[in-house]
Amino acid sequence: GEDVEQSLFLSVREGDSSVINCTYTDSSSTYLYWYKQEPGAGLQLLTYIFSNMDMKQDQRLTVLLNKKDKHLSLRIADTQTGDSAIYFCAEGRRDDKIIFGKGTRLHILP
Amino acid sequence: ETGVTQSPTHLIKTRGQQVTLRCSSQSGHNTVSWYQQALGQGPQFIFQYYREEENGRGNFPPRFSGLQFPNYSSELNVNALELDDSALYLCASSLGTGRANYGYTFGSGTRLTVV
Repeated sequence: GEDVEQSLFLSVREGDSSVINCTYTDSSSTYLYWYKQEPGAGLQLLTYIFSNMDMKQDQRLTVLLNKKDKHLSLRIADTQTGDSAIYFCAEGRRDDKIIFGKGTRLHILP
Repeated sequence: ETGVTQSPTHLIKTRGQQVTLRCSSQSGHNTVSWYQQALGQGPQFIFQYYREEENGRGNFPPRFSGLQFPNYSSELNVNALELDDSALYLCASSLGTGRANYGYTFGSGTRLTVV
């Protein structure tokens, strides 16, 4: 299908790790992205991974890519209240379009 | 370095009217992409402009049109507004058409409400 799929909600206790999962559709996509959207704001690029990599770490963020299964995940270590937002998985397709999932709303429990 | 700016931030229009949304791309960027984000949904690709030419279009009717100017700023025009056009319209700029670089820089969006 055409859709990038991700679960809609995730609740995590402050200090725990958050893992947000995503499946994408186009095996020839060259870049996979994670964007963050806070209420009333536009999208902020958090991190990206090139399709020939299987892992990328950037401070508290770890991206894992399973190209065979077209599965992408974002792990946020030591989740803080400021991490509360909607996280969008996106794929950069060869036709130059970036296609987004519907977003995962991350809720932080005290 | 300035980011992507969009205007206006909020807009209310009546069904059947026409609207123009504006976007100034980040300094040094030559490509602008427009997205529609309905409430509770992910951004849907409308179209992309590269060097003043349309470079790809999503599943939107012809009443959605656009322009890119020599300074790489852009406009999104929507004619004959429908209630379902109510959404956050996001503009994103990039250097190149999005494959060779590392994602887009998004503006904060224009919230359009059609009544």
